Amino acid sequence: GAVVSQHPSWVICKSGTSVKIECRSLDFQATTMFWYRQFPKQSLMLMATSNEGSKATYEQGVEKDKFLINHASLTLSTLTVTSAHPEDSSFYICSALDRGEQPQHFGDGTRLSIL
Amino acid sequence: KQEVTQIPAALSVPEGENLVLNCSFTDSAIYNLQWFRQDPGKGLTSLLLIQSSQREQTSGRLNASLDKSSGRSTLYIAASQPGDSATYLCAVNGANNLFFGTGTRLTVIP
Repeated sequence: GAVVSQHPSWVICKSGTSVKIECRSLDFQATTMFWYRQFPKQSLMLMATSNEGSKATYEQGVEKDKFLINHASLTLSTLTVTSAHPEDSSFYICSALDRGEQPQHFGDGTRLSIL
Repeated sequence: KQEVTQIPAALSVPEGENLVLNCSFTDSAIYNLQWFRQDPGKGLTSLLLIQSSQREQTSGRLNASLDKSSGRSTLYIAASQPGDSATYLCAVNGANNLFFGTGTRLTVIP
């Protein structure tokens, strides 16, 4: 149980494109979801926390207008990287809490490459 | 702000050896600590979770310990196998926020 599906797993696109990444909880209600970013050879850094039906809380230094997060249902959160540039190339991973309970369940991540 | 450090950054061992990975954190006010495995280009696989009230957890060949007062955790891997090669991440949970270490990249040589 507690499976988190993330899609797509890999995306390559041109600079200036907006990219949407989906994070779905397949068999539980995810009241809280988290979005992390991981640059090569670095650890995961929390970008934002989203609670279903409310606005996301962004970590310091993360531009909320560039990284749009929507958590409109209990099973789906989306991260849209708007007007992506090469410096946004990274590995993005989502996680979710099952009805608010620990531990976090992680998706398999999305590798984003901006040309 | 919580800071999590993992030592060593990389480790190579011959197959069959026992090994220890280290994790230290600066703020002892934690809810729990998790050890994850990450294969190249992949997501995270949760290995062990230790609640703040616990001292250790075991799963198969893995044993994780926690000394909250000193801000340390260790992951012990017994009888290492080539399939254990991966990056191991330690993450400390403070009120729903996970703080990750930079990981230890383990290579087990056949």
